[in-house]
Amino acid sequence: EVQLVESGGGLIQSGGSLRLPCATSGFIVSSNHMSWVRQAPGKGLEWVSVIYSGGSTYYADSVKGRFTISRDNSKNTLYLQMDSLRAEDTAVYYCARSGNGPGYFDYWGQGTLVTVSS
Amino acid sequence: DIQMTQSPSSVSASVGDRVTITCRASQGISSWLAWYQQKPGKAPKLLIYDASSLQSGVPSRFSGSRSGTDFTLTISSLQPEDFATYYCQQANSFPPWTFGQGTKVEIK
Repeated sequence: EVQLVESGGGLIQSGGSLRLPCATSGFIVSSNHMSWVRQAPGKGLEWVSVIYSGGSTYYADSVKGRFTISRDNSKNTLYLQMDSLRAEDTAVYYCARSGNGPGYFDYWGQGTLVTVSS
Repeated sequence: DIQMTQSPSSVSASVGDRVTITCRASQGISSWLAWYQQKPGKAPKLLIYDASSLQSGVPSRFSGSRSGTDFTLTISSLQPEDFATYYCQQANSFPPWTFGQGTKVEIK
C-alpha cells in the first residue's frame, strides 16, 4: 500500500528555517517524481517544488532560492528544507507522488502545518 | 506562468443534480489537465487526468472534457459524498504547474 507521511511542521519565527520530511512506503521514492504542494489557511492549492526521478529539481518563483527539495534514497524519504521563512509561507504542506504523468499527483500525504510568525 | 481561471467559485446543488465546473487556461496546454476533489481537513484526491481520463477507483459519474483551452468537469448525478471543493490543475510539460482557484460544491 502506498503511503506518504509528512512531519516537521510547527510554529517558527519569520526568517527561521525548518525541514519537512515525507516518509514513504509502498513504492521507491527515487523511481518516482515527487512534489511538495502547499495550501494557505482557507486558500487554494499552490505547487511548490518537484524532484524528478533523474534528480532534476524545479521550484515555484515564490520559494526559489529559499527552499530546497531533496530525497534520501536509503530512507525512502523526501525532504523540503525551508530557509528565510516569511509569514506568507504559512500553510499546510503536502508531499505528493506523480502518477499518470509528471505533473499529476496520484498519492498525497495528510499534510503538515507550518505557521510563520512575524 | 500559465494561469488557470476556474468558475464558478461556488455552486449550490441538490443530490441527483448534474453539476458542471469549468476551467480556462491562459495558453495552450494540450490535454495536460487534472481535476482534484478536496474535502475539509483532507488531502486532495485525483479524479481526472489528461483532461478526460478517469483515475482508477473514481466513480463513472465524474467525467472531463476539453475544447481548446477550456476544460469541463461534470458530475452527472451528485451524490452526498460529492460535496467538496474541486480544483483544476495544468500539468504542462515543465513546471511551474498551477491550480485553479477552486469551486466549492455546496448543498442546496
